[in-house]
Amino acid sequence: EAGVVQSPRYKIIEKKQPVAFWCNPISGHNTLYWYRQNLGQGPELLIRYENEEAVDDSQLPKDRFSAERLKGVDSTLKIQPAELGDSAVYLCASSLTTYEQYFGPGTRLTVT
Amino acid sequence: AQSVTQPDIHITVSEGASLELRCNYSYGATPYLFWYVQSPGQGLQLLLKYFSGDTLVQGIKGFEAEFKRSQSSFNLRKPSVHWSDAAEYFCAVLGNEKLTFGTGTRLTIIP
Repeated sequence: EAGVVQSPRYKIIEKKQPVAFWCNPISGHNTLYWYRQNLGQGPELLIRYENEEAVDDSQLPKDRFSAERLKGVDSTLKIQPAELGDSAVYLCASSLTTYEQYFGPGTRLTVT
Repeated sequence: AQSVTQPDIHITVSEGASLELRCNYSYGATPYLFWYVQSPGQGLQLLLKYFSGDTLVQGIKGFEAEFKRSQSSFNLRKPSVHWSDAAEYFCAVLGNEKLTFGTGTRLTIIP
């Protein structure tokens, strides 16, 4: 069974530039999560989708971050414009239930 | 709101020695608790979970954890570590359909 796929794995951009991350969840998993992991910290939830619906986006900085999950499968997380403080690892996870989430390898973003 | 504390930022253990990683949680109801491992450049892999029942849970790779309600703890243990266990370990609690992680403990294994 294929795991959660994320791309790109690494991204370096200058501040004020836009950036997008893509996630393909495990087949059949209706729930998809985006987390941000700052250096030396645990992951923090940005947004949770149930199929196409964003059911928890309370931690998503909506002034510069946006996300979508078209057709309830793949998802894209976008930052525009990026700031230095956005440097982090962005993790995508998926699950059948809330009780067992499967994580992708993450995208390491560096903003210079 | 729930929270997780991992008091040890970094632990160094000799290969073959026993290991215990500490985790304390705060949650008003019965907690669902997890331990994840993250190797460099990798995502998080679930080691084990506790929902209810037997307070000693077994996981993958020879790990186990014990839930102690009176101490609000869920410590991870392994009787004999291998060099491949070197990684970052995260404890997490599930509450209100949200997974909250601790800050992690980095495990270094010395020969």
